[in-house]
Amino acid sequence: DIQMTQSPSSLSASVGDRVTITCRASQTISSYLNWYQQKPGKAPKLLIYAASSLQSGVPSRFSGSGSGTDFTLTISSLQPEDFATYYCQQSYSTPPAFGGGTKVEIK
Amino acid sequence: EVQLVESGGGLVQPGGSLRLSCAASGFTFSSYSMNWVRQAPGKGLEWVSYISSSGTTIYYADSVKGRFTISRDNAKNSLYLRMNSLRAEDTAVYFCARVRAGVFEAFDIWGQGTMVTVSS
Repeated sequence: DIQMTQSPSSLSASVGDRVTITCRASQTISSYLNWYQQKPGKAPKLLIYAASSLQSGVPSRFSGSGSGTDFTLTISSLQPEDFATYYCQQSYSTPPAFGGGTKVEIK
Repeated sequence: EVQLVESGGGLVQPGGSLRLSCAASGFTFSSYSMNWVRQAPGKGLEWVSYISSSGTTIYYADSVKGRFTISRDNAKNSLYLRMNSLRAEDTAVYFCARVRAGVFEAFDIWGQGTMVTVSS
């Protein structure tokens, strides 16, 4: 099975900061990498699919990059509504594993 | 509005059974593959099971294989998860999630979740 490792597990940032979250797969997954945002008590929300494609309705301050085993989610200018937990997920093979999550907190 | 609504969660004793349902609306349910994903309290997301649009292809996580059964009724726009031999470690919020159309199978629509608590 493919393992997904996210870093950091948490971070503190201020409104307006540029934030970067990384995700590493235990083996190559091409561009089969998705990013989700989850707020407390809510369902996850798809932000990025196929490593770099923005899901409809998601603000352009979110972007994704990478291929193979190393991937990045970037928030160009952190907004108050962006404080949440972010998960990566590989959809290259079954089981479609999630990373452990990165909690973005207010500094 | 495209929507998924789960139901059927609750408190059950260890070794007991429960059936979760997920009602779909606002899209052609029979055209989409579906998944169940769970989240234990304070923990991350764990994929549980997958079913193809026709129901002919099914996968399970090793942690639930042999105990859980996924199914769907396309005529009723509904997805199900039958859970038997429940354990304390099955305690979680269970989400149903739609697979986005296309090659890269992201989960684009999620329900609000239903809580399952396994405890004596």
